Amino acid sequence: TQLLEQSPQFLSIQEGENLTVYCNSSSVFSSLQWYRQEPGEGPVLLVTVVTGGEVKKLKRLTFQFGDARKDSSLHITAAQPGDTGLYLCAGPPPGAQKLVFGQGTRLTINP
Amino acid sequence: DVKVTQSSRYLVKRTGEKVFLECVQDMDHENMFWYRQDPGLGLRLIYFSYDVKMKEKGDIPEGYSVSREKKERFSLILESASTNQTSMYLCASSSNPGNTIYFGEGSWLTVV
Repeated sequence: TQLLEQSPQFLSIQEGENLTVYCNSSSVFSSLQWYRQEPGEGPVLLVTVVTGGEVKKLKRLTFQFGDARKDSSLHITAAQPGDTGLYLCAGPPPGAQKLVFGQGTRLTINP
Repeated sequence: DVKVTQSSRYLVKRTGEKVFLECVQDMDHENMFWYRQDPGLGLRLIYFSYDVKMKEKGDIPEGYSVSREKKERFSLILESASTNQTSMYLCASSSNPGNTIYFGEGSWLTVV
């Protein structure tokens, strides 16, 4: 059983559309991170959210941390082909000294 | 810029061979990690190290060992490679175990 569940696992949409991907858990996390991984590369950190209810924006990407700190979402406005990649959420479980990762959302933006 | 360098991007090895995957970081980070990444299974932690000569098992340590003789270098060893170890291997480092992880570009290993 995954501690962090991401949905959807696959998403393919047209350029210009909006989308939201989700990262959910039954556990409370002190923080959650979002990474993007492009084909053939390692994941790269996009953002860290640490406060319940926090919203962070990175150009067309909006990240939200749930009030109860059990979930997070990533919303992309007007998606572009350059947004294509694998999006991973990650966080340190309670009492643990390492990050756990969700299984990822593979996003494809078609021109 | 932060840099985690994995020595081999693509390797093909035979079943039973001993395989070394090398990783070097230039950020003076205490913590280093080895993950494998497989479709549908996400990133799974093999081993991590929080100090020189220290190591901890991750979620899937069977069939692997690690070595950390110097702070900047963390090696993953497959004592006797098997076909089910065909995967993408990612090395990473961080200043704190729960903090931002910086990944290398990955090593694609095929065991035939």
